[in-house]
Amino acid sequence: ETGVTQSPTHLIKTRGQQVTLRCSSQSGHNTVSWYQQALGQGPQFIFQYYREEENGRGNFPPRFSGLQFPNYSSELNVNALELDDSALYLCASSLFAGGGNQPQHFGDGTRLSIL
Amino acid sequence: AQSVTQPDIHITVSEGASLELRCNYSYGATPYLFWYVQSPGQGLQLLLKYFSGDTLVQGIKGFEAEFKRSQSSFNLRKPSVHWSDAAEYFCAVGATGGFKTIFGAGTRLFVKA
Repeated sequence: ETGVTQSPTHLIKTRGQQVTLRCSSQSGHNTVSWYQQALGQGPQFIFQYYREEENGRGNFPPRFSGLQFPNYSSELNVNALELDDSALYLCASSLFAGGGNQPQHFGDGTRLSIL
Repeated sequence: AQSVTQPDIHITVSEGASLELRCNYSYGATPYLFWYVQSPGQGLQLLLKYFSGDTLVQGIKGFEAEFKRSQSSFNLRKPSVHWSDAAEYFCAVGATGGFKTIFGAGTRLFVKA
């Protein structure tokens, strides 16, 4: 069973730039969620994708966007980067089977630093 | 609105001692409850979950948690802590039929020899 993998592991960008983070979901999972974890805080829900469509969104501005592909992998795109975007970005996959909030399997994250 | 409170930012216990990490949640219906553990530089690993039924749930690594509806709590316990348990622990709540999981701010566990 292949787990959740994220790339890259670390990334340094400057303010105003754009970034794309990638996630391969665990085999058999059809749902991907993205979280932002600032230093010393718990993960904050950004959005979730199911069947290639956004299935729900947290309190993040539109410059945070995403995609899910037919193989259930996903991308997180962030435009116009700000200093406060510096964080660990976590991807989590799960199996949505018609109801309920299922346990999620997390990748090790991408550490994004904005200079 | 859903929320999760972990009152203890950090806790230090001696190896072999018992452990209880506190979690209180706010949710209008019966929630889905989770405990995750995060080691430095890594993602989160699921320890246990509560959906319904028996209010005492067993998880991996010898952890257990008890759901108390009257207290809106879901405390995590372990009878004997090992040095390898040192990590950050997160309590989380999910909506029934929903997509969003809300995490607490976490409790960092230190284990002393």
